[in-house]
Amino acid sequence: DIQMTQSPSSLSASVGDRVTITCRASQSIITYLNWYQQSPGKAPKLLIYGASSLRSGVPSRFSGSGSTTDFTLTISSLQPEDSATYFCQQSYNTPRTFGQGTKVEIK
Amino acid sequence: QLQLQESGPGLVKPSETLSLTCTVSGGSISTNTNYWGWIRQPPGKGLEWIGSTSYSEKTYYNPSLKSRATISVDTSKNQFSLMLSSVTAADTAVYYCAYDFWTGFPYFDFWGQGTLVTISS
Repeated sequence: DIQMTQSPSSLSASVGDRVTITCRASQSIITYLNWYQQSPGKAPKLLIYGASSLRSGVPSRFSGSGSTTDFTLTISSLQPEDSATYFCQQSYNTPRTFGQGTKVEIK
Repeated sequence: QLQLQESGPGLVKPSETLSLTCTVSGGSISTNTNYWGWIRQPPGKGLEWIGSTSYSEKTYYNPSLKSRATISVDTSKNQFSLMLSSVTAADTAVYYCAYDFWTGFPYFDFWGQGTLVTISS
């Protein structure tokens, strides 16, 4: 199985800050990498697919980059509604695997 | 747009079989490029993919479940289902169904709200 490792596990930032979350795959996944946002008590929502493609309807302050094993999710200007846990997920092969999550809190 | 909704018992006894159904609305389950998936999340933990199926029941499972999972499709009801046998407390989780877009760069979208299943006697 491909292991997905996210860092940090949690972070606290102020409204307007630029936030970066990283995800590392245990082997090359080219750009088969997705990012999801999960608010407390809610289902995950797709933000980014194919490492850098923004899902329709997702605010443009979210962006993704990276390839092979190292990937980044960036929130350019953190908003109060971005307080959530973020997961990366590889779709290069099965079993599909997720990172352990990064909890983003607002200071 | 697609809406998915899970249904099934919230409490299952150890060693029994967990059975959940996902009802799809706003679109047909029978589209060629669509797969339909199950993902679970133990309380306070991360996400685990269980498996995904096409409408023609070409199915992929997570080997970690050791062949306990079975996913099936009922095109007449626009539903797909999960059965997980020989459950233990470790199977306690919120179970989500989701649209598994399996063309180009695969991803999960249009998730159901999730249903908590507790394994306890």
